[in-house]
Amino acid sequence: DSGVTQTPKHLITATGQRVTLRCSPRSGDLSVYWYQQSLDQGLQFLIHYYNGEERAKGNILERFSAQQFPDLHSELNLSSLELGDSALYFCASSVGTLSNEKLFFGSGTQLSVL
Amino acid sequence: DQQVKQNSPSLSVQEGRISILNCDYTNSMFDYFLWYKKYPAEGPTFLISISSIKDKNEDGRFTVFLNKSAKHLSLHIVPSQPGDSAVYFCAASANNNNDMRFGAGTRLTVKP
Repeated sequence: DSGVTQTPKHLITATGQRVTLRCSPRSGDLSVYWYQQSLDQGLQFLIHYYNGEERAKGNILERFSAQQFPDLHSELNLSSLELGDSALYFCASSVGTLSNEKLFFGSGTQLSVL
Repeated sequence: DQQVKQNSPSLSVQEGRISILNCDYTNSMFDYFLWYKKYPAEGPTFLISISSIKDKNEDGRFTVFLNKSAKHLSLHIVPSQPGDSAVYFCAASANNNNDMRFGAGTRLTVKP
């Protein structure tokens, strides 16, 4: 158990809809990262928050947004969903923002857009 | 942009033999490299890492080698065990960035 909690584990929805994925980091971790893993793709970095503030953005679509709340949990909002958004979404956390920190991953949310 | 590349999607080895997983990167600013292992229905878990100031790091059966001039790193597992069967991701980060880049992963199968 990594200590990172993601909910829900599975999500099935239709095109055009909006969903929210939730992540609770390990106790004491201030950084939260979101990654997307599509079929046969690696982990694509989406966004990084540290202590409530956005620190880095990757290949995140404009239809997607995220935030980190004062209690440090984070939510990833996906709107106007398309079939191609079907993927496994991982959240990870770390203590700070140093490059030599390892990330602790949750078990992911499997999103299926039908 | 694929700054971290794992060109072998899969690798199959016999139990007891050596497994060698390879990774290439393009960003010369990367200064820290990690390997993660992922089992089905679980998130990736940290395996081993190496700083750019070193060329080798060893932890039990796992050794990571870094060749900065070639922008290449490799993970050696010896001896390989069936429990090592998983997807292995190579990752890299730079001190002036706040994100970690991952490769596409290599699925390792260790046959008994």
